[in-house]
Amino acid sequence: DGGITQSPKYLFRKEGQNVTLSCEQNLNHDAMYWYRQDPGQGLRLIYYSQIVNDFQKGDIAEGYSVSREKKESFPLTVTSAQKNPTAFYLCASQPQGGTEAFFGQGTRLTVV
Amino acid sequence: AQRVTQPEKLLSVFKGAPVELKCNYSYSGSPELFWYVQYSRQRLQLLLRHISRESIKGFTADLNKGETSFHLKKPFAQEEDSAMYYCALSGLKQTGANNLFFGTGTRLTVIP
Repeated sequence: DGGITQSPKYLFRKEGQNVTLSCEQNLNHDAMYWYRQDPGQGLRLIYYSQIVNDFQKGDIAEGYSVSREKKESFPLTVTSAQKNPTAFYLCASQPQGGTEAFFGQGTRLTVV
Repeated sequence: AQRVTQPEKLLSVFKGAPVELKCNYSYSGSPELFWYVQYSRQRLQLLLRHISRESIKGFTADLNKGETSFHLKKPFAQEEDSAMYYCALSGLKQTGANNLFFGTGTRLTVIP
């Protein structure tokens, strides 16, 4: 069953802790993206990767880190430096050439 | 710099009324434009793209390069159209890699 999977669906974190959100795809897509979705602000790009072992900062990269060691995986780490981490996080993948992007179900992170 | 603008955060229309969701963009090259939709409790999914010139669920969108717009239209709104709609732009960089940028989204509510 092909697709893009994010886990976990819900995540709670204590202030000051780092947490890693998983994103896996078996679509053989080159590009992968992480977005943050806040009410009234739409989707804001955190990081993106066009190829293995390479990634670029998006508009709101501060307090986040990523890795792209495998084509299938693009984990996002929310560090303690992120001042307002409570949000809904979406991962997407896209084949080379600018066509349709496919999204995961999202992870809702809550800092308690 | 690339930018996607959706001026309306909220839009309410009565069932059976026409609906238009506005989208303007700025991009130095020739982008590909998309509309994505997020229904309640579902993942973000592609609704339509400008290159296919198709009508999906009664929605159409025409790319107007002179006005740099890609407005989404439907002549008769249905209750099941209530959702969050995002306009998106994908453009090829000089490196050959593609980017995907989203507007802030418009929440459409169709009133019975």
